[in-house]
Amino acid sequence: AQSVTQLDSHVSVSEGTPVLLRCNYSSSYSPSLFWYVQHPNKGLQLLLKYTSAATLVKGINGFEAEFKKSETSFHLTKPSAHMSDAAEYFCVVSDDMRFGAGTRLTVKP
Amino acid sequence: KAGVTQTPRYLIKTRGQQVTLSCSPISGHRSVSWYQQTPGQGLQFLFEYFSETQRNKGNFPGRFSGRQFSNSRSEMNVSTLELGDSALYLCASSLRVQGYVYGYTFGSGTRLTVV
Repeated sequence: AQSVTQLDSHVSVSEGTPVLLRCNYSSSYSPSLFWYVQHPNKGLQLLLKYTSAATLVKGINGFEAEFKKSETSFHLTKPSAHMSDAAEYFCVVSDDMRFGAGTRLTVKP
Repeated sequence: KAGVTQTPRYLIKTRGQQVTLSCSPISGHRSVSWYQQTPGQGLQFLFEYFSETQRNKGNFPGRFSGRQFSNSRSEMNVSTLELGDSALYLCASSLRVQGYVYGYTFGSGTRLTVV
């Protein structure tokens, strides 16, 4: 069975500082992993996906994530937060699209 | 190309009624998944249809059902509505080839309010 755990329900950063949103997964096989973003009153948008090619995946808007099999992690990072990054972020595992509980990112001016 | 289209965008229903939501996937996508999003429970998987067959099902009661047509359009039906069914219902379409998923594209959702 697959599952995904987002370790922080809420992350708050200052504009211009790095962002780290943590995600751990469990899977009996090598999964595909996704990060989605949902802005207020908007639909879900794909940020990036890992599908067993390069372990460092670059996505849109400067986000990237690194797949670490030994740690069963797929953390999302961005070097410098922007106000427009404030949103809900979801980590998703593979074939049956199980969503994590989400992490709300707040960006302070 | 057109995105995923969900209709209606908003719906208000009374307890005990039933409701049908519609989802038209991206052209060429044969997989359609449905999700319920609520503040308390987050995003929960309802079911997935592929080529008119239910491929996967989440942990929802039998009041929640769906179907997919030959043109890949999908409908979701909820019978005997309860107040707790108030939620944003999201549909996602994907290109699934030999079991491999090439990512999901979501619609804007249908916001259902049960009064």
